[in-house]
Amino acid sequence: SYVLTQPPSVSVAPGKTARITCGGNNIGSKSVHWYQQKPGQAPVLVIYYDSDRPSGIPERFSGSNSGNTATLTISRVEAGDEADYYCQVWDSSSVFGGGTKLTVL
Amino acid sequence: QLQLQESGPGLVKPSETLSLTCTVSGGSISSSSYYWGWIRQPPGKGLEWIGSIYYSGSTYYNPSLKSRVTISVDTSKNQFSLKLSSVTAADTAVYYCASRIVGAAPFDYWGQGTLVTVSS
Repeated sequence: SYVLTQPPSVSVAPGKTARITCGGNNIGSKSVHWYQQKPGQAPVLVIYYDSDRPSGIPERFSGSNSGNTATLTISRVEAGDEADYYCQVWDSSSVFGGGTKLTVL
Repeated sequence: QLQLQESGPGLVKPSETLSLTCTVSGGSISSSSYYWGWIRQPPGKGLEWIGSIYYSGSTYYNPSLKSRVTISVDTSKNQFSLKLSSVTAADTAVYYCASRIVGAAPFDYWGQGTLVTVSS
């Protein structure tokens, strides 16, 4: 089965740029979706089809996907961005990455 | 805008069957544009897709759970349901229902989630 690998944690200072990676075999050939989940809440879609942003998601959130790595980039990080982030693709079934906890220092 | 709401028992005994229902509002579950699915999250852990159903009744399950999962749809009530049999403590999780459009699409609408604990 297809496996997505995310770093367990990423830390960044306010105002800096956070990059969260999602690794998978030839993931560049798949569409990657990213979700933000805050404690006690349901996940919220922040990036879909590699780099599209749903309405209401700040332009600070962007995505890219190539080769074996997809990346979620959060520019000018704010305290409110602290959350768990999950990548997701469709292979023969839906697959989620293990999640990355973003800590704003 | 779609709204989804899970309902069902919060406590299930080991070896019994977990049953949850998701009620959809703001749209028709009979829409040919949407799949309806279940996703779970054990306490402190990541997300796991359980399966999805199309309004026609076509189902797609996570291979690791397929032998124990049944997802069904009730178009008359605008609901879809999850049954997970022979549960153990490992099935303790927050269960979410979610929707996505047809294709390799993201889950764009989610319920708030419901915690199901498996314990005697």
